[in-house]
Amino acid sequence: GAVVSQHPSWVICKSGTSVKIECRSLDFQATTMFWYRQFPKQSLMLMATSNEGSKATYEQGVEKDKFLINHASLTLSTLTVTSAHPEDSSFYICSASGGMVSEQYFGPGTRLTVT
Amino acid sequence: GDSVTQMEGPVTLSEEAFLTINCTYTATGYPSLFWYVQYPGEGLQLLLKATKADDKGSNKGFEATYRKETTSFHLEKGSVQVSDSAVYFCASRNSGNTPLVFGKGTRLSVIA
Repeated sequence: GAVVSQHPSWVICKSGTSVKIECRSLDFQATTMFWYRQFPKQSLMLMATSNEGSKATYEQGVEKDKFLINHASLTLSTLTVTSAHPEDSSFYICSASGGMVSEQYFGPGTRLTVT
Repeated sequence: GDSVTQMEGPVTLSEEAFLTINCTYTATGYPSLFWYVQYPGEGLQLLLKATKADDKGSNKGFEATYRKETTSFHLEKGSVQVSDSAVYFCASRNSGNTPLVFGKGTRLSVIA
């Protein structure tokens, strides 16, 4: 099946710094990528939908200036958490679909801890 | 808007017990339905899916049937194993590249 990777798998950063998370489709061209956030013992919350070459569409309540999403190529999307705060600590998961892949395939997730 | 409701956990079962996790959906159209599984510390994996009414998705001994009349997609397995311990998410999606709508997840613990 299609493979989606995320890097890093976990990261610890200090409050006020920015962190970039990468999501890559390894064996297919992902025209659409989705970014989710998962709080402990809770479901996934969709943050934004990203189509290659265009601006991301953010869900209500998600600050686009804080969570910068770039989808510059058909295999890579990045999520940058700017000026991170402890409340941004969470598990961030991406998914990708497109081309011959109609399903959404999920990355393994990135655990962010802001101290 | 579209939504998915699944039974709250946690669910604790003994090995070889029968499993049912209920899931119902609301949708404006005719969505595809999915079950995803999340093992501890990992991302989501597609477990099974069904794309139209009366379709049955199955994988690894798990089954779910798309019931349009009851707007349900209940997950079942006849004999669970300890390795099935995970969080299970029911989800729907209206079309191709639209986002999945997830239920809140059900944590399953299987004890030997």
